[in-house]
Amino acid sequence: DGGITQSPKYLFRKEGQNVTLSCEQNLNHDAMYWYRQDPGQGLRLIYYSQIVNDFQKGDIAEGYSVSREKKESFPLTVTSAQKNPTAFYLCASQYRSSRVNTEAFFGQGTRLTVV
Amino acid sequence: DAKTTQPTSMDCAEGRAANLPCNHSTISGNEYVYWYRQIHSQGPQYIIHGLKNNETNEMASLIITEDRKSSTLILPHATLRDTAVYYCIVRVANAGGTSYGKLTFGQGTILTVHP
Repeated sequence: DGGITQSPKYLFRKEGQNVTLSCEQNLNHDAMYWYRQDPGQGLRLIYYSQIVNDFQKGDIAEGYSVSREKKESFPLTVTSAQKNPTAFYLCASQYRSSRVNTEAFFGQGTRLTVV
Repeated sequence: DAKTTQPTSMDCAEGRAANLPCNHSTISGNEYVYWYRQIHSQGPQYIIHGLKNNETNEMASLIITEDRKSSTLILPHATLRDTAVYYCIVRVANAGGTSYGKLTFGQGTILTVHP
């Protein structure tokens, strides 16, 4: 079945450690996104990528890094520079078309807890 | 992307229609209205989108005012499983390539469907 998969669902790390969150899609989507969600809040955009080997900062990119070496994969690294890394992280992908307005599909999220 | 304003919370009786309003008074001519919903601790789910005409699909109907400054999402027969946070988003259309995509989420409306 086609879809977008985030792993792991729950992740615990010690303060000061870098951690990488996985996001894989087999929908042949060009664009991929990373969002962060804090309790009772909406989603805030961290990074997004429209094509392979290219990505742009979102609204809250500081303390995060990404790569887009393959179309299917868009991993997010939460570095030790991120002051408040504990949050719910959501990955999304979208088909890029100049003719059709398409919707984004979301993964089920990774809940990161830093202790 | 244009800013949206939604009520913080709404209640609806099971089996009745749920009407969720959204104001987007600064919407531009090339911006679509999108609706997503998020059930607790899951990724957002696409519901419907439109430009200026009313739209209907198997999940909901979208009514956009003639001046496009507001819209209403209608769930015709709400069920308990429709309890979720509903997000109204406006964003630039895909046509033309590079300016598409970035979904900016606000706080959304917490819809509670009760028996």
